[in-house]
Amino acid sequence: GQNIDQPTEMTATEGAIVQINCTYQTSGFNGLFWYQQHAGEAPTFLSYNVLDGLEEKGRFSSFLSRSKGYSYLLLKELQMKDSASYLCAVTDSNYQLIWGAGTKLIIKP
Amino acid sequence: DAMVIQNPRYQVTQFGKPVTLSCSQTLNHNVMYWYQQKSSQAPKLLFHYYDKDFNNEADTPDNFQSRRPNTSFCFLDIRSPGLGDAAMYLCATSRAAGGQDTQYFGPGTRLTVL
Repeated sequence: GQNIDQPTEMTATEGAIVQINCTYQTSGFNGLFWYQQHAGEAPTFLSYNVLDGLEEKGRFSSFLSRSKGYSYLLLKELQMKDSASYLCAVTDSNYQLIWGAGTKLIIKP
Repeated sequence: DAMVIQNPRYQVTQFGKPVTLSCSQTLNHNVMYWYQQKSSQAPKLLFHYYDKDFNNEADTPDNFQSRRPNTSFCFLDIRSPGLGDAAMYLCATSRAAGGQDTQYFGPGTRLTVL
């Protein structure tokens, strides 16, 4: 079966750095997305990786290793507004988007 | 601003009473999606349209139907809502199909079934 694994919940301190991991087992791979979802709101796009390596975008970076079926989202200089769920989603060989359940990130002052 | 709009934001219905949720987009995207998302779970794709071509997910119950009368609008009809259908319903769009294009989401409609 197809599976996306993410930690259910993480806690971090304002101003710190946090890394949210995602591992996937899918039938093929055609790209990986990270979305941010605040409570009660819709997901918003953060990043897309299709080649191995690190993509940096301001305070957020996303890393992909296709050989390991692994990605992480790195958030630097955490702010209270970063408290949200972070969803990992993978496009499989049939070009279907497989969603993870998300990691709820709690930021403490 | 180009966007995806969902109405209403909150919908309350009674068990078995049909309900329709609406979605509109000003992005002129070809693809429109309907997802169901329950608390702390992944969004579950119900169906999507590529233009007027309708694609139903295999495990989407017959209780759920959809209409796309034109490029801008898409509707989700729940014919006989059950308690298990209480969820957030998300509409999304993308320029291309195939899961490689960024999806843009509306704010969602939270459905309560009494």
